Amino acid sequence: EIVLTQSPDFQSVTPKEKVTITCRASQNIGSSLHWYQLKPDQSPKLLIRYASQSFSGVPSRFSGSGSGTHFTLTINGLEAEDAATYYCHQSTALPFTFGPGTKVDIK
Amino acid sequence: QLQLQESGPGLVKPSETLSLTCIVSGGSISSSSYYWAWIRQPPGKGLEWIGTISYRGSTYYNPSLTRRLTISVDTSKDDFSLKLTSVTAADTAVYYCASGGYESFDYWGQGTLVTVSS
Repeated sequence: EIVLTQSPDFQSVTPKEKVTITCRASQNIGSSLHWYQLKPDQSPKLLIRYASQSFSGVPSRFSGSGSGTHFTLTINGLEAEDAATYYCHQSTALPFTFGPGTKVDIK
Repeated sequence: QLQLQESGPGLVKPSETLSLTCIVSGGSISSSSYYWAWIRQPPGKGLEWIGTISYRGSTYYNPSLTRRLTISVDTSKDDFSLKLTSVTAADTAVYYCASGGYESFDYWGQGTLVTVSS
């Protein structure tokens, strides 16, 4: 099973700041890495698929990069509505696995 | 845009079967464009992929759940279902249905909390 780790676990950020979340895979997963945003009582949202492809309707401040074992999700200019937990997910090999999540809080 | 909604009991007794249905709207479950998945999140924990089914009925299950798991599609009702047998407290979670390509979960339901308790 491919293990994903995320850092940091938690980040408290001022609006308009830049946020960078890292996801590392236990083995090479190419670009088969996707990012999701989860908020309480809302449907989770896909932000980025295949490491760097923005999903339809996602604000341009969200971007992804990386390949192999090291990936990043960047939020350029955090907005209050971005307070959420962010998860990475790999789809190279079954079982599909998720990272443990990074909670982003607004100061 | 595809919309998904989970439905099913919120409380299941230990050793019984957890059954959930995901109702699909805004698209056809028979579409070759989509795969259909179940994902869960135990309280205070992260996300766990449960399994995926294709529009043709090919299934892909998490090995940790295979012995107890059945995912099926009902094209006549435009929905798909999850059955998990012999549940324990460890199966208490918010259960999400989702759809997308084989690899990414593009659209999600809002999730439904299922508690396993006597």
